[in-house]
Amino acid sequence: NAGVTQTPKFQVLKTGQSMTLQCAQDMNHEYMSWYRQDPGMGLRLIHYSVGAGITDQGEVPNGYNVSRSTTEDFPLRLLSAAPSQTSVYFCASSYGRKPYNEQFFGPGTRLTVL
Amino acid sequence: AQRVTQPEKLLSVFKGAPVELKCNYSYSGSPELFWYVQYSRQRLQLLLRHISRESIKGFTADLNKGETSFHLKKPFAQEEDSAMYYCALRGTYKYIFGTGTRLKVLA
Repeated sequence: NAGVTQTPKFQVLKTGQSMTLQCAQDMNHEYMSWYRQDPGMGLRLIHYSVGAGITDQGEVPNGYNVSRSTTEDFPLRLLSAAPSQTSVYFCASSYGRKPYNEQFFGPGTRLTVL
Repeated sequence: AQRVTQPEKLLSVFKGAPVELKCNYSYSGSPELFWYVQYSRQRLQLLLRHISRESIKGFTADLNKGETSFHLKKPFAQEEDSAMYYCALRGTYKYIFGTGTRLKVLA
């Protein structure tokens, strides 16, 4: 199993550009989520999904869109990039309904917005 | 409000010394609490969860509901324990992470 994969690993954008961060998992996990990691702020939840067709907002959803058309994929779209979105983005997945589930994390995408 | 607080950004200890990484939480129901670790150039990974009541890599964590704490402890630190440690709380579906504590174990 590849586990949780993310592409790209690095990305530089100009202010106002849009892009999609890809996330895929091959473990048939129901639950998927996106976090951003900033110095001194820890991991903050952006959006999450409890299954195909179901998404919801996390702590910091503004400026980001998600969709979940399949169990495997959970892309994160930046609509109009801003310097404040410079961060490291992590995707994670787990068996959603079972308690005390371990979250499996992807390797991260380091995004810089100029 | 659901919240996880890790008061220390950086904790430096000498090899062989005891380690305690603090975590306090705020949650109205019965919390599911975890410790995750991120070693240099590696993915974030689960270290332990409170329901397991087991020792992983010599680390233990006890849930204290009275003090709403879930501190991570190890009696004798090793250099390979140097990493970023995150305490996390799982609500209905949302996971809430603390700001993390960087542990540096000095030789």
